[in-house]
Amino acid sequence: EVQLVESGGGLVQPGRSLRLSCAASGFTVDDYAMHWVRQSPGKGLEWVSGISWNSGSRGYADSVKGRFTISRDNAKNSLYLEMNSLRPEDTAIYYCAKDMKEGAYAPLFDNWGQGTLVTVSS
Amino acid sequence: ENVLTQSPGTLSLSPGERATLSCRASHSITHNYLAWYQQKPGQAPRLLIYGASIRATDIPDRFSGSGSATDFTLTISRLEPEDFAVYYCQQYGGSPWTFGQGTKVEIK
Repeated sequence: EVQLVESGGGLVQPGRSLRLSCAASGFTVDDYAMHWVRQSPGKGLEWVSGISWNSGSRGYADSVKGRFTISRDNAKNSLYLEMNSLRPEDTAIYYCAKDMKEGAYAPLFDNWGQGTLVTVSS
Repeated sequence: ENVLTQSPGTLSLSPGERATLSCRASHSITHNYLAWYQQKPGQAPRLLIYGASIRATDIPDRFSGSGSATDFTLTISRLEPEDFAVYYCQQYGGSPWTFGQGTKVEIK
């Protein structure tokens, strides 16, 4: 069974940093691209960032480009999101999501974690 | 950016009725790379349909998707109590990958 477990969320002041982690299990992590998708309270979904299976391709939404960095450690079955210069509008539940297609980078999310809440406020 | 507009915003129906949800894209979606997700309160989204019309694993056949280019539809043939939720469309044909704003299917 695929499991994705996010951690690292919390309350942070504007301008500060936070690092999210996602622990993956139940599948061969090395074979799949992984992504972060967020959902602001009571709002819709927004793709934030993605990384290919070998870290060769990384993408970011314009809203976070230059501030967020995605990375992965396949040996540890883990995905990360380093978030710098946080803004109140970054407040959201951050979901880790697995790409459906093995070896591809085509954000189609067949498994999701339960999410971790990030609140940016003074 | 390919903007996805879903309609209606809210659909009020009774169990057993048919639900028809629309997703319209501002630009044609490459290869009809359009997906539908279901989200219940307090839960992560669940993939229902991809490639506009292919059901994901373990999705009941009362869910069906259709459409091409810029106009897509999700149909739930007969609503079950567990189908009342918010539904999102998402395009994965071109970056940035975008979602619609959602359609809430509520009990009438």
